[in-house]
Amino acid sequence: NAGVTQTPKFRVLKTGQSMTLLCAQDMNHEYMYWYRQDPGMGLRLIHYSVGEGTTAKGEVPDGYNVSRLKKQNFLLGLESAAPSQTSVYFCASSYWNTDTQYFGPGTRLTVL
Amino acid sequence: GNSVTQMEGPVTLSEEAFLTINCTYTATGYPSLFWYVQYPGEGLQLLLKATKADDKGSNKGFEATYRKETTSFHLEKGSVQVSDSAVYFCALSMTTDSWGKLQFGAGTQVVVTP
Repeated sequence: NAGVTQTPKFRVLKTGQSMTLLCAQDMNHEYMYWYRQDPGMGLRLIHYSVGEGTTAKGEVPDGYNVSRLKKQNFLLGLESAAPSQTSVYFCASSYWNTDTQYFGPGTRLTVL
Repeated sequence: GNSVTQMEGPVTLSEEAFLTINCTYTATGYPSLFWYVQYPGEGLQLLLKATKADDKGSNKGFEATYRKETTSFHLEKGSVQVSDSAVYFCALSMTTDSWGKLQFGAGTQVVVTP
């Protein structure tokens, strides 16, 4: 039981490049979330999903897209990376909306 | 909108000292309250939670009581260890929120020295 895993752990991009972050959970959770963590700002929700095939915008969705084609996977895409997207990205999952969220180890992304 | 405010860090303590991290919230309605902990290089993990007023959450020697009258959820531990060095996040979610959004405070770094 690996819990929530994220790939990759680190990445450096140049402005304008694209990439996809992968989140996988093996707990059969319905809800999945993508957050970004910036110094002094806590975590802010980018996008979330309440089930396979569904996605919705969170607080800071601009510049990101997501997909949930399989229940266990939640992908976060950056089509044209910008330096403002330099951050640590965390994925989380939970059984339902009032349940504890379980977090992955994070992906540190630097955009030059 | 809903928000969480917690004391700024870093908080530096000696081993076996008493730790308090203040957290206050603003919410329309009755939130559930959480403390998450982030150890160096790791993701967040739930430390404790409380879902209604006067509930006390506890885990690993940490405690926090949901105080509706003061809209607070302060975290306390009687005797800290070096292994408690981490960043602590206070958070809330609204049970009426269909998507379970967690609203986080900015985080408080705690450094415990031997």
